[in-house]
Amino acid sequence: GNSVTQMEGPVTLSEEAFLTINCTYTATGYPSLFWYVQYPGEGLQLLLKATKADDKGSNKGFEATYRKETTSFHLEKGSVQVSDSAVYFCALSDRGTASKLTFGTGTRLQVTL
Amino acid sequence: KAGVTQTPRYLIKTRGQQVTLSCSPISGHRSVSWYQQTPGQGLQFLFEYFSETQRNKGNFPGRFSGRQFSNSRSEMNVSTLELGDSALYLCASSPQTGSLGNSPLHFGNGTRLTVT
Repeated sequence: GNSVTQMEGPVTLSEEAFLTINCTYTATGYPSLFWYVQYPGEGLQLLLKATKADDKGSNKGFEATYRKETTSFHLEKGSVQVSDSAVYFCALSDRGTASKLTFGTGTRLQVTL
Repeated sequence: KAGVTQTPRYLIKTRGQQVTLSCSPISGHRSVSWYQQTPGQGLQFLFEYFSETQRNKGNFPGRFSGRQFSNSRSEMNVSTLELGDSALYLCASSPQTGSLGNSPLHFGNGTRLTVT
């Protein structure tokens, strides 16, 4: 079956530091890949997505590239802000079941001044 | 446009009882999915409804059920509650019409269920 593996958290960074959150996946076929973010007390918000190999998703300074050869979709940001503190989830969906997402365990990011 | 609305935000129930949670999708969205979020198991897919029909189902026991109405609003029901059902239940809607495609899900803020 499908699975998503994320790096363990929490990740603590100083403001303006570089962020990488690793994500690898196992899936048959050609899944779509997503990063969602969850702020305290809220649901999940889509951060970015990529639907085919070598696609780069980007939003709000965050980027991730769909790497089929390494089955990875690592999240990066060049300079984090305190407001980026949240839990980040990597997820995938099969082409045939697009609303059935398989999520990673989530990585908590804490950014300090 | 209003987002996905879930009611109630918080619920406390006793073991053995049943509970119904409600979800109003974004206007025009016909697909509604439900997820359970717990510290131990993370986010797990429960089921998806489209045009009042269950289109996909996760690996949950039959105590978990749902339905969708003609206006796309959805409810999920959990019967004979167990302590392990304590979780944040998230509803998500999507504009997607077919099962193919990659339209992102729009999540509500969830209903936090506590079973005592």
